[in-house]
Amino acid sequence: NAGVMQNPRHLVRRRGQEARLRCSPMKGHSHVYWYRQLPEEGLKFMVYLQKENIIDESGMPKERFSAEFPKEGPSILRIQQVVRGDSAAYFCASSSGQNTGELFFGEGSRLTVL
Amino acid sequence: GQQLNQSPQSMFIQEGEDVSMNCTSSSIFNTWLWYKQEPGEGPVLLIALYKAGELTSNGRLTAQFGITRKDSFLNISASIPSDVGIYFCAGQLPGNTPLVFGKGTRLSVIA
Repeated sequence: NAGVMQNPRHLVRRRGQEARLRCSPMKGHSHVYWYRQLPEEGLKFMVYLQKENIIDESGMPKERFSAEFPKEGPSILRIQQVVRGDSAAYFCASSSGQNTGELFFGEGSRLTVL
Repeated sequence: GQQLNQSPQSMFIQEGEDVSMNCTSSSIFNTWLWYKQEPGEGPVLLIALYKAGELTSNGRLTAQFGITRKDSFLNISASIPSDVGIYFCAGQLPGNTPLVFGKGTRLSVIA
């Protein structure tokens, strides 16, 4: 499967625990974007990364959230000390970086905080 | 942040009918895209538009990039049950900026 791969598809955490969401971009893509979707809402941009660099994190909450895209391996979105309001679907998208604006999305990771 | 106003929020139509939805903004966009999302899945790219006035088709879907660069519409002709889903418009501001999404149009098709 050459598409964007996200895991886990579903994650349940208790308040105060940590959540780690992983994303492998499409083959040949080096640009990764994370978006959050609340029920009945559109997608809200969180962070844009290239390999080893954060390009734009203007949509990322200042506390508890972090993202990385190491030289080797998938991109990771990390949420520390989760709260109920973090419950959402988190989508990763990748692009070739050709500035076409075309993003290809994974199937999402659905986080539920109890 | 930038906002895209997408309408209608939801539509219930009979199979075979045509559908039209649109997106507007107060800002000028360089690129307009339309995505479809089905339950439990990620958004799938349907059509991408790059030039003001551009009209592009993908099967029964047709989308246009508004002349003012502040709006776009998507038409679906002769709807079928598998057209059910949420359709999102997305725009890219000038520069290599992340896409901004509308809140979606929820389409239901009654057979």
